[in-house]
Amino acid sequence: DTGVSQDPRHKITKRGQNVTFRCDPISEHNRLYWYRQTLGQGPEFLTYFQNEAQLEKSRLLSDRFSAERPKGSFSTLEIQRTEQGDSAMYLCASSSHAGFPFSGNTIYFGEGSWLTVV
Amino acid sequence: TQLLEQSPQFLSIQEGENLTVYCNSSSVFSSLQWYRQEPGEGPVLLVTVVTGGEVKKLKRLTFQFGDARKDSSLHITAAQTGDTGLYLCAGVGTGAGSYQLTFGKGTKLSVIP
Repeated sequence: DTGVSQDPRHKITKRGQNVTFRCDPISEHNRLYWYRQTLGQGPEFLTYFQNEAQLEKSRLLSDRFSAERPKGSFSTLEIQRTEQGDSAMYLCASSSHAGFPFSGNTIYFGEGSWLTVV
Repeated sequence: TQLLEQSPQFLSIQEGENLTVYCNSSSVFSSLQWYRQEPGEGPVLLVTVVTGGEVKKLKRLTFQFGDARKDSSLHITAAQTGDTGLYLCAGVGTGAGSYQLTFGKGTKLSVIP
């Protein structure tokens, strides 16, 4: 399977604990994105990497959240001191470099990592 | 902040009926994408529309981008039970925001046999 893979698929943690999610993008894709989706909502943008550089972070990404992509391949999203409001599905996506028209650039989403904070 | 509003939020129809889902914004997008998402899975891209007024067809699905590139619609003809799912529209930002997708809340479609 050469799609975007995420691990773990499900995580239940106690409030205050740290959690880390991993994303392996499609191998030739240099762009990687993290989104968060809560029940009844569409995905919300969190952050974006081009190769190893984190080029943009949403205001949704508080200082408890940190994302890395150290070698421009896989990425990790860590949440420190989890809160119940962090419960959501964390989606990773990847794409090749976007040229114009954008219609030539498809973003592929992984299956998501579900986080439940109890 | 760019917002996309989708309507209806929920739709339950009989198999064989037609339906239209709307996606509206006050902002202009460089392009707009439609996704379908199954429970517990990530969204899967259905189509991207780029040009104002553009119409694209994918079997029984017809997608239209508004002339002003602020709104879009998805029309399904003769719905089948396999069409059941969450349909999301997502706008692609312009200029420096072109990497970012702004999603609507989605339309949850249930097709009843």
